[in-house]
Amino acid sequence: DAGVTQSPTHLIKTRGQQVTLRCSPKSGHDTVSWYQQALGQGPQFIFQYYEEEERQRGNFPDRFSGHQFPNYSSELNVNALLLGDSALYLCASSQGLTGVAGELFFGEGSRLTVL
Amino acid sequence: AQKVTQAQTEISVVEKEDVTLDCVYETRDTTYYLFWYKQPPSGELVFLIRRNSFDEQNEISGRYSWNFQKSTSSFNFTITASQVVDSAVYFCALIENNTGKLIFGQGTTLQVKP
Repeated sequence: DAGVTQSPTHLIKTRGQQVTLRCSPKSGHDTVSWYQQALGQGPQFIFQYYEEEERQRGNFPDRFSGHQFPNYSSELNVNALLLGDSALYLCASSQGLTGVAGELFFGEGSRLTVL
Repeated sequence: AQKVTQAQTEISVVEKEDVTLDCVYETRDTTYYLFWYKQPPSGELVFLIRRNSFDEQNEISGRYSWNFQKSTSSFNFTITASQVVDSAVYFCALIENNTGKLIFGQGTTLQVKP
């Protein structure tokens, strides 16, 4: 049973560029959430997708957008990259909006470096 | 506001010592869930435990134990007889009701030296 998979694992971009990160949820899960983890910090909630719609959003600018596909996989897009966007981006999947009593399964993340 | 505080930024112990990681939370919900996750260098957040606010019984799983005290809004995590493989960043988290959004503390980096 594959867990949550994310790609790419590492990438380097320059300021102003755009990036797309991808996530495949754990088998049987239909909800995907994205978190940003800056160095030395706890993960911060970006947004959550369920039934191909954004259901919840954290305190992130519109430069951060996402998409969920019919197979439940998801993409995170960040436009006009800033140095401060450098972080580990974690994808988490669950069953339903709140999961089974809130249990989320996380991928290993995509580490983005913006130069 | 919902908030999780892990006051200990870094802890260093020698193998076989016991170590306790502190977690204090704030929530306006009457029913809530608390979590502990382990993050090894690979980056993946590994689920350790989920605790319902109605269940204040302490839990033990092998060398791990958790002390949940609603009166002090704390959910502390103890590793008994620590091992080098326990070295990681540990996060305490609170789930926001009806959204599934996890609110994480800042994390505690645990280093266990041989």
